[in-house]
Amino acid sequence: GEDVEQSLFLSVREGDSSVINCTYTDSSSTYLYWYKQEPGAGLQLLTYIFSNMDMKQDQRLTVLLNKKDKHLSLRIADTQTGDSAIYFCAESISGNYQLIWGAGTKLIIKP
Amino acid sequence: NAGVTQTPKFQVLKTGQSMTLQCAQDMNHNSMYWYRQDPGMGLRLIYYSASEGTTDKGEVPNGYNVSRLNKREFSLRLESAAPSQTSVYFCASSEDSNQPQHFGDGTRLSIL
Repeated sequence: GEDVEQSLFLSVREGDSSVINCTYTDSSSTYLYWYKQEPGAGLQLLTYIFSNMDMKQDQRLTVLLNKKDKHLSLRIADTQTGDSAIYFCAESISGNYQLIWGAGTKLIIKP
Repeated sequence: NAGVTQTPKFQVLKTGQSMTLQCAQDMNHNSMYWYRQDPGMGLRLIYYSASEGTTDKGEVPNGYNVSRLNKREFSLRLESAAPSQTSVYFCASSEDSNQPQHFGDGTRLSIL
């Protein structure tokens, strides 16, 4: 069945770049999403990419999509303490209302 | 700029009690969703409503019922709460399927 996988933790130093990775199995995806969840809060849509795109950049965020390898990544440049959160990758499938969610990657910022 | 509003934010219930979680969106979205989030398990879809007047089961519907009251509101009901339903519940909405979903702040529900 469909599956989305992410590493559970990523630790980076403040000021470095963070790269959070995600792999998915269903090749009929339409959009791939990145959501951010801060402690005790809801999920905030960070960015998303249409499946026929390779890259999308939005200020400090860069999303890369490799359709051949079914690999999605989120790069956060100049990581700050405010970026500390759990990041979820999600995939939408054509004709299906259900998103396929990864378990989330907790980003830990070291001073 | 309210977006998706959920009430209540916190609730403690005893086993066997019933409860309705409320959700409203002001973005004129067609589709609405209820999820539960448990530690280490990501988000699991309970029910969704593709459009006003329709509801469908998601991945984990047992023990829950929903009502799409109108285009704005989508409620989730626990008829007889069980400890296994202790979780954080999120409501979301989207313009249509395959469009980004926007989330509320969640309801933290504990069942003793």
